[in-house]
Amino acid sequence: KNEVEQSPQNLTAQEGEFITINCSYSVGISALHWLQQHPGGGIVSLFMLSSGKKKHGRLIATINIQEKHSSLHITASHPRDSAVYICAVRNNYGQNFVFGPGTRLSVLP
Amino acid sequence: NAGVTQTPKFQVLKTGQSMTLQCAQDMNHEYMSWYRQDPGMGLRLIHYSVGAGITDQGEVPNGYNVSRSTTEDFPLRLLSAAPSQTSVYFCASTLSWDTEAFFGQGTRLTVV
Repeated sequence: KNEVEQSPQNLTAQEGEFITINCSYSVGISALHWLQQHPGGGIVSLFMLSSGKKKHGRLIATINIQEKHSSLHITASHPRDSAVYICAVRNNYGQNFVFGPGTRLSVLP
Repeated sequence: NAGVTQTPKFQVLKTGQSMTLQCAQDMNHEYMSWYRQDPGMGLRLIHYSVGAGITDQGEVPNGYNVSRSTTEDFPLRLLSAAPSQTSVYFCASTLSWDTEAFFGQGTRLTVV
């Protein structure tokens, strides 16, 4: 069983739809990160969470430490949101990430 | 501009050739690491460093060497390239274990 799992693996949405991507993990963590990777592009950090909820523009990230689960929400999705979204965790006091497999999102106009 | 700079962006090697992927950051970050990204497998840790002069192996270190002579630079060396090393490579840096990570733009390597 992978330490970090994501669902769905692939997601196609129409512009304007509300999108949810889920991440579950099986290890104790110090922080959870949501990353974005556009096709052929680099990786950009969206959020770092250790508890609660964070919001940046149309993106919202939540984490439930007890349930070992995090969600990334995109409100009013846009074609420019099309990318792979990656959940990554750091073990307690660990330097390195354990990555989920990614969720490929396509938002159609 | 502050950030992580990787070079080259693309590279084609013949089996058996050696090369060095460069990674530099100008944020005075102590922690730097190299990952490879393969389809269906996500990102996997190759080597990492917690400061100048200190390096350690990650999940998939075979066939790769690293060194960290300065805080800014963390090059990844392929000693004798193999087709199995065809991948996209990312360098990342963080200030400490509980801070945001910064990634380079990636190096797409093909070994023929």
